[in-house]
Amino acid sequence: DAKTTQPPSMDCAEGRAANLPCNHSTISGNEYVYWYRQIHSQGPQYIIHGLKNNETNEMASLIITEDRKSSTLILPHATLRDTAVYYCIVRTGANNLFFGTGTRLTVIP
Amino acid sequence: ETGVTQTPRHLVMGMTNKKSLKCEQHLGHNAMYWYKQSAKKPLELMFVYNFKEQTENNSVPSRFSPECPNSSHLFLHLHTLQPEDSALYLCASSQDWGRAVEKLFFGSGTQLSVL
Repeated sequence: DAKTTQPPSMDCAEGRAANLPCNHSTISGNEYVYWYRQIHSQGPQYIIHGLKNNETNEMASLIITEDRKSSTLILPHATLRDTAVYYCIVRTGANNLFFGTGTRLTVIP
Repeated sequence: ETGVTQTPRHLVMGMTNKKSLKCEQHLGHNAMYWYKQSAKKPLELMFVYNFKEQTENNSVPSRFSPECPNSSHLFLHLHTLQPEDSALYLCASSQDWGRAVEKLFFGSGTQLSVL
């Protein structure tokens, strides 16, 4: 699986958009970008995934650059409940999901 | 509620004890996983089962023994553990294993302390 690089921590004001970056410069053409989050002492939760196109669901939006070397997860209106560690992962179907250290997002009241 | 239930939620055991962790999924999935999360470390994949067959063993010590009697249940049998095995043990399931797109659904985990 391609390596990913994320900032270790970020803060975001409640109600504002949280933009979480991820670099995956060695991603290959058949690798998907996944985002999960883990709230303290719970199991990780799937958020969104994409291959080339931008994606949006009820939780977040995923913006993937045209060269696919980086992506951004956007939480449009962050709430206190969005405080968690966010993991950016790239993988193919032949590989299992391996988590890195992620970005610890703190939403500030 | 993710549809993946783990019991017990917390477990304290001595190094000579034998205990088992249980995971049950109600999602109709075919693949199940055990992950370990030690304090301040990333999640580590331990085992993968697909259609009850073990497909991955990520160099896990033999004091951890998985069992998958059917696609809905997964156990992790523990014996003669060490204090460094204290961690959050997470179970997950997915529709299948090895597909290009695969969402994992995790349980809340078992927080294990080995004394």
